Amino acid sequence: GAVVSQHPSWVICKSGTSVKIECRSLDFQATTMFWYRQFPKQSLMLMATSNEGSKATYEQGVEKDKFLINHASLTLSTLTVTSAHPEDSSFYICSARVRWGDGGNTIYFGEGSWLTVV
Amino acid sequence: EDQVTQSPEALRLQEGESSSLNCSYTVSGLRGLFWYRQDPGKGPEFLFTLYSAGEEKEKERLKATLTKKESFLHITAPKPEDSATYLCAVRRENSGYSTLTFGKGTMLLVSP
Repeated sequence: GAVVSQHPSWVICKSGTSVKIECRSLDFQATTMFWYRQFPKQSLMLMATSNEGSKATYEQGVEKDKFLINHASLTLSTLTVTSAHPEDSSFYICSARVRWGDGGNTIYFGEGSWLTVV
Repeated sequence: EDQVTQSPEALRLQEGESSSLNCSYTVSGLRGLFWYRQDPGKGPEFLFTLYSAGEEKEKERLKATLTKKESFLHITAPKPEDSATYLCAVRRENSGYSTLTFGKGTMLLVSP
């Protein structure tokens, strides 16, 4: 089946620094990828929709200058958390949509990236 | 506003004890209802997509059904390895792009 890979799986960074998380579609092209954030025992909250070759679409309340999204190719989207603070510590998950030939579609998720800001 | 409500929040079963998880939803322009399994510290693993009322899909011990207001995930004779959080999400088209709205999940624990 389709596979979405995230890297790194976990990262610890100092407050004030920036950290980049990569999301790759390994065996399909993804024109659209999605970035989510999940707090412990909470549901996934959509942060932004990443569109290949154009600007990302951010959900209400998500700071676009803080969470920079780049979707430079059909297989790679990156999320950069700029000037990270402890409150940005969370589990970040990306997903990508596969459009099947029969008109159906499936959204696959990456393994997630744990970010801890100290 | 789209809403997805899952119940129960947590469910404890004995191995072999069948049960069902519920996902109630309200969404305008449903373009699919998704079930995922999420293990602790991992990303969601895709299980099923349902598109229209009356549709059913099966995979091993799991069977998902859909009505116009809710979806059920039936677990037949569960095993301890079925323990996980099961997430339900609905997809709709909005201004040319699609979004998924997730429920909070049902945490399932199956004891041997």
